[in-house]
Amino acid sequence: AAGVIQSPRHLIKEKRETATLKCYPIPRHDTVYWYQQGPGQDPQFLISFYEKMQSDKGSIPDRFSAQQFSDYHSELNMSSLELGDSALYFCASSLRQSLDRGYEQYFGPGTRLTVT
Amino acid sequence: KQEVTQIPAALSVPEGENLVLNCSFTDSAIYNLQWFRQDPGKGLTSLLLIQSSQREQTSGRLNASLDKSSGRSTLYIAASQPGDSATYLCAVHWMDSSYKLIFGSGTRLLVRP
Repeated sequence: AAGVIQSPRHLIKEKRETATLKCYPIPRHDTVYWYQQGPGQDPQFLISFYEKMQSDKGSIPDRFSAQQFSDYHSELNMSSLELGDSALYFCASSLRQSLDRGYEQYFGPGTRLTVT
Repeated sequence: KQEVTQIPAALSVPEGENLVLNCSFTDSAIYNLQWFRQDPGKGLTSLLLIQSSQREQTSGRLNASLDKSSGRSTLYIAASQPGDSATYLCAVHWMDSSYKLIFGSGTRLLVRP
């Protein structure tokens, strides 16, 4: 079965640079979520999109922005990178209309961002 | 405030032992609860999803239970194996306008051969 695809899997950037992370949800899923997991921490919700509209916003820095495109893939844009942005970034997708699975979220393998 | 707590933070057991991981959450108005496994530096593998109307879910040697009224869930692992060594995360989806998951800090499990 198709899973959530994230690219790139690893990314190394310098401070003050910009990074773009991409997420391709499971086909026919209508909701995409972004989470950030710092070293030794639990995943923290950043932002979500439902049918290409921003649905919910968590602890996402103003330096970050995200969008969902017409083909449902999503991109997380991160500018003025800081050392503290080094983390594993997960994308997840779900189908809100899936009553039998109760909005189960399926996670991608993550993008490991290292800021030097 | 909606919070998820997992105890113990770390657990070391000999191979073959049955074990229980605990997850507690504030506010019983949840939609569902998911248990995940995470190997060091790797992604999240979904193990079990329990909807608010369910009491338990089983998959192989894993059994997850849910007691919404007391705000608790347990993950039972039978006949543990060294390959079960990983961090186990509990995440809750609350019945508010948000669809995000809030994670606990996880239990780091080591199964010794």
